Amino acid sequence: AQSVTQLGSHVSVSEGALVLLRCNYSSSVPPYLFWYVQYPNQGLQLLLKYTSAATLVKGINGFEAEFKKSETSFHLTKPSAHMSDAAEYFCAVSPRRGSSNTGKLIFGQGTTLQVKP
Amino acid sequence: GAVVSQHPSRVICKSGTSVKIECRSLDFQATTMFWYRQFPKQSLMLMATSNEGSKATYEQGVEKDKFLINHASLTLSTLTVTSAHPEDSSFYICSARDLKGQPNTGELFFGEGSRLTVL
Repeated sequence: AQSVTQLGSHVSVSEGALVLLRCNYSSSVPPYLFWYVQYPNQGLQLLLKYTSAATLVKGINGFEAEFKKSETSFHLTKPSAHMSDAAEYFCAVSPRRGSSNTGKLIFGQGTTLQVKP
Repeated sequence: GAVVSQHPSRVICKSGTSVKIECRSLDFQATTMFWYRQFPKQSLMLMATSNEGSKATYEQGVEKDKFLINHASLTLSTLTVTSAHPEDSSFYICSARDLKGQPNTGELFFGEGSRLTVL
């Protein structure tokens, strides 16, 4: 079974500092991987996704993530944090088409990003 | 990206009443939609997979008689919380995939969520 683990339920950085949110997955075959952001009382917005093209994926709002098969990781980074980046971030995994793909996403526990002025 | 809309965004009801939440795909057709539940400060938990024209598939531990799902058309799925109680208070989020013309990359588009408060 697939699973996702986000290390650190809460991350605090200063404005302008590097953002690093960690995500490790467990899967017998490389899955599709996603990062979503959620602002208070809102749904989820896709930041970026890995679907087996380039291992370094660039997303919206300056975020990027690197798929490392050897480490089963898909950490999210941003060189310089903005106050507007404060939100909840979720890493998610989905099996690839052709396997037992029901299309559902499995989410990590979420990481709250706090950005201090 | 594709747009998924939920209604209502907030609902308050009395204990024992039923509440219906709608999820619509506005610019694409969705044969499958997903319903998630999110408790405060927690992750999303998949409740069920809604299949157009057939019965929903519920995750283990989710009461199908409590959470009725109907997917009557390719653009609309509804979740009805029957005989709601305070413990049903939560944030409910739906999602769908746009499969038309694109390979399945598993990406889901999410609605804005519906916050249910049962008094």
